[in-house]
Amino acid sequence: AQSVSQHNHHVILSEAASLELGCNYSYGGTVNLFWYVQYPGQHLQLLLKYFSGDPLVKGIKGFEAEFIKSKFSFNLRKPSVQWSDTAEYFCAVNADGGSQGNLIFGKGTKLSVKP
Amino acid sequence: NAGVTQTPKFQVLKTGQSMTLQCAQDMNHEYMSWYRQDPGMGLRLIHYSVGAGITDQGEVPNGYNVSRSTTEDFPLRLLSAAPSQTSVYFCASSYSGLYTYNEQFFGPGTRLTVL
Repeated sequence: AQSVSQHNHHVILSEAASLELGCNYSYGGTVNLFWYVQYPGQHLQLLLKYFSGDPLVKGIKGFEAEFIKSKFSFNLRKPSVQWSDTAEYFCAVNADGGSQGNLIFGKGTKLSVKP
Repeated sequence: NAGVTQTPKFQVLKTGQSMTLQCAQDMNHEYMSWYRQDPGMGLRLIHYSVGAGITDQGEVPNGYNVSRSTTEDFPLRLLSAAPSQTSVYFCASSYSGLYTYNEQFFGPGTRLTVL
């Protein structure tokens, strides 16, 4: 069965620190990859997505992610975090063998940014 | 556009009670789905629908029913609530499940507590 692993449960950073959140998936075929963010008390919002082409994807709010097919990874990065980035981040995968639009989510990484 | 709307925002039930969580979208999306979010578990798919009259089970369907009589609405029914169903429920929709790379839009969620 397909699965998504997020390596860190909770990351605590100071403002201006660099961020990298790990995401690995288990599926050998074609995948579509997503990062969603959930700010406290809010619903999920799409940060960025990868379908094909350039493996370095840029999203909103200065976030980017790199798809490394050989490592089955899609890590999220931001060079300098802000207090407003405090949120929970979810990696998600849709595989071509999966049921159409269904997403498989990782368990999430909570990011706390200290001012 | 209102996007994806969910009602109620909060609900408390007693064990054995039944209720329906409402979900509606005004974007003419064919694909709709229900997820539950539990701490440390990420989001797990309950049921999904690729169009009016078509529904299917996701990862955790037991104890839940769905129907899709119109494109706009996708209610989730709890048949006999159990404490294990205490969770936050999110509805999502996208243009079409046939094109698996379409972004899913999420509703604000319903926080359900079963005593």
